[in-house]
Amino acid sequence: GAVVSQHPSRVICKSGTSVKIECRSLDFQATTMFWYRQFPKQSLMLMATSNEGSKATYEQGVEKDKFLINHASLTLSTLTVTSAHPEDSSFYICSARGAELAETQYFGPGTRLLVL
Amino acid sequence: QKEVEQNSGPLSVPEGAIASLNCTYSDRGSQSFFWYRQYSGKSPELIMSIYSNGDKEDGRFTAQLNKASQYVSLLIRDSQPSDSATYLCAVMVDYKLSFGAGTTVTVRA
Repeated sequence: GAVVSQHPSRVICKSGTSVKIECRSLDFQATTMFWYRQFPKQSLMLMATSNEGSKATYEQGVEKDKFLINHASLTLSTLTVTSAHPEDSSFYICSARGAELAETQYFGPGTRLLVL
Repeated sequence: QKEVEQNSGPLSVPEGAIASLNCTYSDRGSQSFFWYRQYSGKSPELIMSIYSNGDKEDGRFTAQLNKASQYVSLLIRDSQPSDSATYLCAVMVDYKLSFGAGTTVTVRA
């Protein structure tokens, strides 16, 4: 149980385009989903927290107009990187927390974004 | 996000030995503590969680928590080559996780 999927697993795009990443909880309802970014040789950095049906809460230094997050249902959250630039190239990982599993976050497999 | 520090690696241990990983955190309001394992190119996977002072054992893994010292550790007994990975310490405050930089462990066959 507690499986989280992400799509796509890998994406290459041109600078200036937008990329959407989906995060789904497959066998539980996720009251909260988190989006992380990990640069090579670095740890995970929390970008934002999203609760179903409400606006995402962004961490300091993360541009909310660049990283659009939508959490329209209890099983799906999306992250859209708008007008992507090469410095946005990174490993994007989502995690999900269900009410009955409140202490534990389950991570998706990650999406590797390369912006040319 | 609050600061989480881990002992610098990489850590190299022979197969069958004990690998010891350490982590300190700065926020006394931290509620829950986790150890994740991350293989290269993959996302983290949870291996241990600990919430109260003392030891918690799960198979070859033992987590230790000392809230007074703001210290959490992970012992891996009988290390196997498949344990070679980066181990991330994570601390939860208000349901948000803060991660340490990770310690890379290499188990020599």
